[in-house]
Amino acid sequence: GENVEQHPSTLSVQEGDSAVIKCTYSDSASNYFPWYKQELGKRPQLIIDIRSNVGEKKDQRIAVTLNKTAKHFSLHITETQPEDSAVYFCAASPPGTGFQKLVFGTGTRLLVSP
Amino acid sequence: DSGVTQTPKHLITATGQRVTLRCSPRSGDLSVYWYQQSLDQGLQFLIQYYNGEERAKGNILERFSAQQFPDLHSELNLSSLELGDSALYFCASSPVTGTYEQYFGPGTRLTVT
Repeated sequence: GENVEQHPSTLSVQEGDSAVIKCTYSDSASNYFPWYKQELGKRPQLIIDIRSNVGEKKDQRIAVTLNKTAKHFSLHITETQPEDSAVYFCAASPPGTGFQKLVFGTGTRLLVSP
Repeated sequence: DSGVTQTPKHLITATGQRVTLRCSPRSGDLSVYWYQQSLDQGLQFLIQYYNGEERAKGNILERFSAQQFPDLHSELNLSSLELGDSALYFCASSPVTGTYEQYFGPGTRLTVT
């Protein structure tokens, strides 16, 4: 089955710097790759996603890139702010008939210092 | 607020007991997914229902079961509880099966003592 690896496990940056989190997946048939942000004790929140027919997607300060050949995708956050501090999870969705389960990476704890 | 509701927020129970977690999807969403989040296992997919029917199973133990009712709310039943079942249990919903975006509820924190 699908396996998703995520790096780094922790990332500390200064406010205003950029942050990059990388994930690799194993199932070349996976076709959907969302990123979730989870603050302590709260629900995962969908922040951006990309489908396999797109190479890059941007939404204000966040962007996601996908390299299908290498089977990896990355989250880029520019001009980081303290409120960006949270755990970020990538996920991949292997295709299935009538369902779309998510296989999550192990998470990256991002700390943005003022 | 995602529009997905879960009750209770917290649940403390003893080993061997049985509990029921409840989830109401966003208005109009037909598909409900259950996930377990523990410190050592991360976020793990358990099971999915679409319009009352089971559609996919993940790493769900035989002691766990779920169902989705005609009003589309879903319940996750956990029985013969063990200490290792302590975790956050999330449900997520999406509009139709095969639609990609999933929106998570606030979760139920289960503590087994």
